Amino acid sequence: NAGVTQTPKFQVLKTGQSMTLQCAQDMNHEYMSWYRQDPGMGLRLIHYSVGAGITDQGEVPNGYNVSRSTTEDFPLRLLSAAPSQTSVYFCASSYGQGMGYTFGSGTRLTVV
Amino acid sequence: GENVEQHPSTLSVQEGDSAVIKCTYSDSASNYFPWYKQELGKRPQLIIDIRSNVGEKKDQRIAVTLNKTAKHFSLHITETQPEDSAVYFCAASTSYAGGTSYGKLTFGQGTILTVHP
Repeated sequence: NAGVTQTPKFQVLKTGQSMTLQCAQDMNHEYMSWYRQDPGMGLRLIHYSVGAGITDQGEVPNGYNVSRSTTEDFPLRLLSAAPSQTSVYFCASSYGQGMGYTFGSGTRLTVV
Repeated sequence: GENVEQHPSTLSVQEGDSAVIKCTYSDSASNYFPWYKQELGKRPQLIIDIRSNVGEKKDQRIAVTLNKTAKHFSLHITETQPEDSAVYFCAASTSYAGGTSYGKLTFGQGTILTVHP
């Protein structure tokens, strides 16, 4: 049982490049979410999903896309990277409402 | 949408003292309130949670209280130890039956707790 696995752990992108942050969980969790963490800003929700085929926007969705084709995977796509997207990105999953989220180890992204 | 405010932003205590962190939430429909601890360079980890049908929950040296009327909840750490030093986050989620908002977990801004030996 690996929990929530995020890849890559570190990434440097040039402005305008696109990439996908991968997130997979092996706990059969229905809920999955993506957060970004910036100094002094806490954890801000980007996108979330309550099941395969169902996604919705969080508070900072601009510049990011998600899809949930399987229960296990929830990739986050950066469409055209900008320096403002430099951050630490966490993926998290949960059995459901009223249950705690388990976080992945994070991806540290730098956009130059 | 839900808004969670957390205070203080930094808290410094001596080893053995108690620490209290407070959060307020805006959505009266919120009914699940977890607390996370994040050590430097690590992922957030769930340390305790409380649901709206309970007023208080304890787990060894940590406890959480909830006041639904006032829409605030607090984390209490007793007999603090240096290893309690970390960033602590409160969060809230709702159980709306409609839409997907029941999947959202909204976090406070975090409290940096420093426990001095």
